[in-house]
Amino acid sequence: DIQMTQSPSTLSASIGDRVTITCRASQNISNWLAWYQQNPGKAPKLLIYRASSLQNGVPSRFSGSGSGTEFTLIITNLQPDDFASYYCQEYNSYSHTFGQGTKLEI
Amino acid sequence: QVHLVESGGRWVKPGGSLRLSCAASGFIFRDHYMSWIRQAPGKGLEWLLYISHRGLSIYSADAVKGRFTISRDNAKNSLYLQMNSLRAEDTAVYYCARFSIDQHFPVLTGYFDNWGQGTLVTVSS
Repeated sequence: DIQMTQSPSTLSASIGDRVTITCRASQNISNWLAWYQQNPGKAPKLLIYRASSLQNGVPSRFSGSGSGTEFTLIITNLQPDDFASYYCQEYNSYSHTFGQGTKLEI
Repeated sequence: QVHLVESGGRWVKPGGSLRLSCAASGFIFRDHYMSWIRQAPGKGLEWLLYISHRGLSIYSADAVKGRFTISRDNAKNSLYLQMNSLRAEDTAVYYCARFSIDQHFPVLTGYFDNWGQGTLVTVSS
């Protein structure tokens, strides 16, 4: 099975900051990667698919990049609602494995 | 607007069974693959199964293969998860999600573009 490793596990930032979250795959997954945001007690929300395609309705402050085994999610001009957990998910294989998550704290 | 509402979660003893439901609205349900995903308390997300739009193709994660079954009733715009032989480690919030196919060859895979609010299943004696 493909393993997905996110770093850091926890990230502290302030309103208006720019942050980067990294997701590494244990093998080449091309660009078959999605990113989700999950606020406490809420369902996950799709942000990015195919590594860099922004889901409809998601602010352009969110961007994704990468291919192969290393991917990044960048959030600029952090807003209060952005302080949440973020998960990457590969879909190169049937396993549809998620990363362990990154908690973005204010 | 896509709306998914799960129900059926409750406390159940180890070895027991439970059936979860997901009511869909706001989109043409019969045109979309659907999936179940869970999240144990304080943990990350785990994909479990997906089902094709007509219910003819089903794929399951190894962790639930043989114990969990996914089904759908397109006439009722509903998705189901039948869970048997439940274990303590199955304790989690269970989400239904609309599954968007992005890769078609060599395997059919994708991402989850809309999620329900989840229903909590607790397995404990």
